[in-house]
Amino acid sequence: EVQLVESGGGLVQPGGSLRLSCAASGFTFSIYSMNWVRQAPGKGLEWVSYISSSSTTIYYADSVKGRFTISRDNVKNSLYLQMNSLRDEDTAVYYCVRDSGRDGYTAWGQGTLVTVSS
Amino acid sequence: QSVLTQPPSASGTPGQRVTISCSGSSSNIGSNYVYWYQQLPGTAPKLLIYRNNQRPSGVPDRFSGSRSGTSASLAISGLRSEDEADYYCAAWDGSLSVAVFGGGTQLTVL
Repeated sequence: EVQLVESGGGLVQPGGSLRLSCAASGFTFSIYSMNWVRQAPGKGLEWVSYISSSSTTIYYADSVKGRFTISRDNVKNSLYLQMNSLRDEDTAVYYCVRDSGRDGYTAWGQGTLVTVSS
Repeated sequence: QSVLTQPPSASGTPGQRVTISCSGSSSNIGSNYVYWYQQLPGTAPKLLIYRNNQRPSGVPDRFSGSRSGTSASLAISGLRSEDEADYYCAAWDGSLSVAVFGGGTQLTVL
């Protein structure tokens, strides 16, 4: 069974940092690109970042560029999101998402809540 | 506001057919595949339609997708109470090099 389990969310003050992790199981993690997608409370989905299977290609949404860093460890079957200089508007549930290319986002984690507040 | 435009809400009665539109531009819908995701209340999104009109295994054929020019639509026929959810369209934007989502459409089954 495909599983994506996020962790690392929590309450952080504006300007602070947080590192999210996503543990993947039930599929060959190393051959899939991955994404982070977030959803602010009561709002829609917002794509955050993409990383290719070998980490050679990385993209970020303009809203997080220069503050967030996506990475992965194919030995540990894990995806990460280092979030720095956090702002109130970064408050959201962050989903770890498997990218099957032209077949779409075929697996989603349950999400981890990040709350940025003083 | 979102790069892709969807109506914020839609509704229908059981058994009815409803459609949800998604409008974009030549750099996203006009030149890349469209995807649809269903988010049931309190759950993570799930892939509903890929490559404009393909259904993953397990998705009922009541759900169908189409694309024409810079717009796409999701049709749900034989509406059921369990279809009550938020629906999002998505595509890759080649000019921005980002994935873009619509703002989402909340479907109510009356």
